[in-house]
Amino acid sequence: GQQLNQSPQSMFIQEGEDVSMNCTSSSIFNTWLWYKQDPGEGPVLLIALYKAGELTSNGRLTAQFGITRKDSFLNISASIPSDVGIYFCAAPAGGSNYKLTFGKGTLLTVNP
Amino acid sequence: DADVTQTPRNRITKTGKRIMLECSQTKGHDRMYWYRQDPGLGLRLIYYSFDVKDINKGEISDGYSVSRQAQAKFSLSLESAIPNQTALYFCATSDTSVSSYNEQFFGPGTRLTVL
Repeated sequence: GQQLNQSPQSMFIQEGEDVSMNCTSSSIFNTWLWYKQDPGEGPVLLIALYKAGELTSNGRLTAQFGITRKDSFLNISASIPSDVGIYFCAAPAGGSNYKLTFGKGTLLTVNP
Repeated sequence: DADVTQTPRNRITKTGKRIMLECSQTKGHDRMYWYRQDPGLGLRLIYYSFDVKDINKGEISDGYSVSRQAQAKFSLSLESAIPNQTALYFCATSDTSVSSYNEQFFGPGTRLTVL
């Protein structure tokens, strides 16, 4: 099946630093989604991307749909303690328009 | 998102017991999903439902069953719980009537422990 390779697996940074993470695949997608999961909660949709090359922001978060359609990137600027959590990428699975396949997540820790 | 609710939030049970996890949504979405989350394994799809009459197995359906009682309600059952079903369980919804039909919205989760 299609696999999303998310990296890094974990990051430990200082408050105020910028963060970058990415998701890659050998498959082509028409949609990329980025979610954040706070400890003890369900994933929350942060950004949705629908067009190759698209760059979309949500506050301090910026995500890009890779031009090859095989990857996506998420950047967080000026990190703050509440950015702590697990960030997941997701894309439609196996050609289906309604099922998602998820990356294994990037665990972000922010040191105040 | 308070529009998707799950009960209970936490449950501890014993091996062999039957367990039901409930999910309700007020979003008016037609599609509903059950996922399981284990450390290091990410989110894996157990079952999904396109409407009340349509139920489909996901990648890890063995040992689970579901019921779509209404468009707004989708329950997950463990017929005879076993310890390796200890995990976080999430319900999600999506709306196929809009262009953003791939976007799924998750409930707060149920932490299940099987002793």
